Amino acid sequence: SQQGEEDPQALSIQEGENATMNCSYKTSINNLQWYRQNSGRGLVHLILIRSNEREKHSGRLRVTLDTSKKSSSLLITASRAADTASYFCATDGLDYGQNFVFGPGTRLSVLP
Amino acid sequence: EAQVTQNPRYLITVTGKKLTVTCSQNMNHEYMSWYRQDPGLGLRQIYYSMNVEVTDKGDVPEGYKVSRKEKRNFPLILESPSPNQTSLYFCASSLWTGGTGELFFGEGSRLTVL
Repeated sequence: SQQGEEDPQALSIQEGENATMNCSYKTSINNLQWYRQNSGRGLVHLILIRSNEREKHSGRLRVTLDTSKKSSSLLITASRAADTASYFCATDGLDYGQNFVFGPGTRLSVLP
Repeated sequence: EAQVTQNPRYLITVTGKKLTVTCSQNMNHEYMSWYRQDPGLGLRQIYYSMNVEVTDKGDVPEGYKVSRKEKRNFPLILESPSPNQTSLYFCASSLWTGGTGELFFGEGSRLTVL
């Protein structure tokens, strides 16, 4: 069962622009995390937001969480070519035990 | 250095020839998990383990086995590989604290079954 769904599937922007990716999920969660994957490499943790938090910042990253809409967004400000990667959200749901489930990801291309 | 180590990184094998992909972590994490990644499908969970001798099926467990005899190791076993198991496999671990622990991933094992 796929819990998270990222949107859009692919995003192409110019360097310096902001990139926004969205994640929707189906069941109640404890936490939501965002990960980044450079092509073919292992995923790297970016940020975690708890279900009782609405917004969190880390450097150029801003994450929001709306539990009433079961959705989250990841904003990358002032994007750089090095931000080109795939971004995934992962949730640990209350309904399916202690486990992490990933969405299909958003492929971000930042053009120089 | 904290890390998750998978081996082999690349493997080409033939249908039916049993193989094991090893995964080891040096962070004393309770939680470990295996995922496969296929184009357009994201990461799909195969099996996970909350601690030693505790394993559970993920979304796509068919054709795979796992064991967790030691905390640091979580091997993935393909008893009789088939071409549809050609994929990129990732092992991950986490210090599970009610889901607030981040996942640490290995670098991946690219498996081709002919």
